[in-house]
Amino acid sequence: KAGVTQTPRYLIKTRGQQVTLSCSPISGHRSVSWYQQTPGQGLQFLFEYFSETQRNKGNFPGRFSGRQFSNSRSEMNVSTLELGDSALYLCASSPTGRTGSEKLFFGSGTQLSVL
Amino acid sequence: GESVGLHLPTLSVQEGDNSIINCAYSNSASDYFIWYKQESGKGPQFIIDIRSNMDKRQGQRVTVLLNKTVKHLSLQIAATQPGDSAVYFCAEGAPSGTYKYIFGTGTRLKVLA
Repeated sequence: KAGVTQTPRYLIKTRGQQVTLSCSPISGHRSVSWYQQTPGQGLQFLFEYFSETQRNKGNFPGRFSGRQFSNSRSEMNVSTLELGDSALYLCASSPTGRTGSEKLFFGSGTQLSVL
Repeated sequence: GESVGLHLPTLSVQEGDNSIINCAYSNSASDYFIWYKQESGKGPQFIIDIRSNMDKRQGQRVTVLLNKTVKHLSLQIAATQPGDSAVYFCAEGAPSGTYKYIFGTGTRLKVLA
């Protein structure tokens, strides 16, 4: 079974631009979560999707958005990029998103650099 | 605020020794915990998990201990090998209905030859 696939692997953007990141979950997984990881910080929750519905969103500004398609693939978008948005963006999938019983499977991430 | 913290940001151990990585969690209602390993340039990889109805679980060379009284989690790695060098995160399954995990900042494990 293929793992979680994230594209692109690396991105370099300038301030003010926008960016779209893509994630394909493990086949059969319907829950997709996004996390931001910065040096010295843990993983910060961005949002979680299930069946094309956002069920929870972390404490990030509205510039961060996402969506999920009917095939469970997900995208996240960051508009009006700021230098502080430079980070590793990780996508994770699980069968249903039950945090009391399911582990997350992570992709390798997209490393975003904002200049 | 909500947090899952780690006591030691960097841990250096001699090859062959045992490693212990600690983690404190904040929500007494959490009932599922996971340890992840992250190597440079890769996403976090699952190591072992434990539910709150257990206080110990063993895997291959790894053991997770859970102390709910003091809200403490630890990961023990036996006979630490160079390939164990990585950053280790504990994750706490937030209460049901939130659909998110709370991660600590991570502990870097360095294995000395």
